[in-house]
Amino acid sequence: DAGVTQSPTHLIKTRGQHVTLRCSPISGHKSVSWYQQVLGQGPQFIFQYYEKEERGRGNFPDRFSARQFPNYSSELNVNALLLGDSALYLCASSLVGRYGYTFGSGTRLTVV
Amino acid sequence: TQLLEQSPQFLSIQEGENLTVYCNSSSVFSSLQWYRQEPGEGPVLLVTVVTGGEVKKLKRLTFQFGDARKDSSLHITAAQTGDTGLYLCADPYSGGGADGLTFGKGTHLIIQP
Repeated sequence: DAGVTQSPTHLIKTRGQHVTLRCSPISGHKSVSWYQQVLGQGPQFIFQYYEKEERGRGNFPDRFSARQFPNYSSELNVNALLLGDSALYLCASSLVGRYGYTFGSGTRLTVV
Repeated sequence: TQLLEQSPQFLSIQEGENLTVYCNSSSVFSSLQWYRQEPGEGPVLLVTVVTGGEVKKLKRLTFQFGDARKDSSLHITAAQTGDTGLYLCADPYSGGGADGLTFGKGTHLIIQP
């Protein structure tokens, strides 16, 4: 069975640009969460979506937005990129919310 | 939001040695999860502990949840090079009604051959 799939795997953007990251959850999983992991730190919660509705939001600016599609895949959008947005962006899917999260391998975003 | 403190931040030991890493909070955990993350990969769930005093074993890994549910430890017996990675503890209840995980900063573990 396919795990959580994220694309692209690596991305280089310039300050001020915007970026869209994509995530396909495990088949049957209706909950998708996004995390930002700066080098050397633990992941930080950005968003959680369940059944296409936002269920939670971490302490991130409005430049960060997300959505979930009818097939439960999800996009994370970041506008007006800053150097500090350089990080590994992780997507996790779950069948039952808080427990049983499966993470993808992430998208490595570098802002120059 | 729960603040999770992990120690030590870095640990480098020889293969075959034993080690313990810790996760602490000033607040009570409803439950706690431990993850291992290898370079270039996402975190992989190792265990969820729920009951104060609970001990769970996963081969050479022993997880303990404090009686007061404010701390947890991970003990590895006879460490192997394959145990190298970032060990993260996480609270499944990040507060404010959100369902996201709150992670600690992790313990970077290197097992040298």
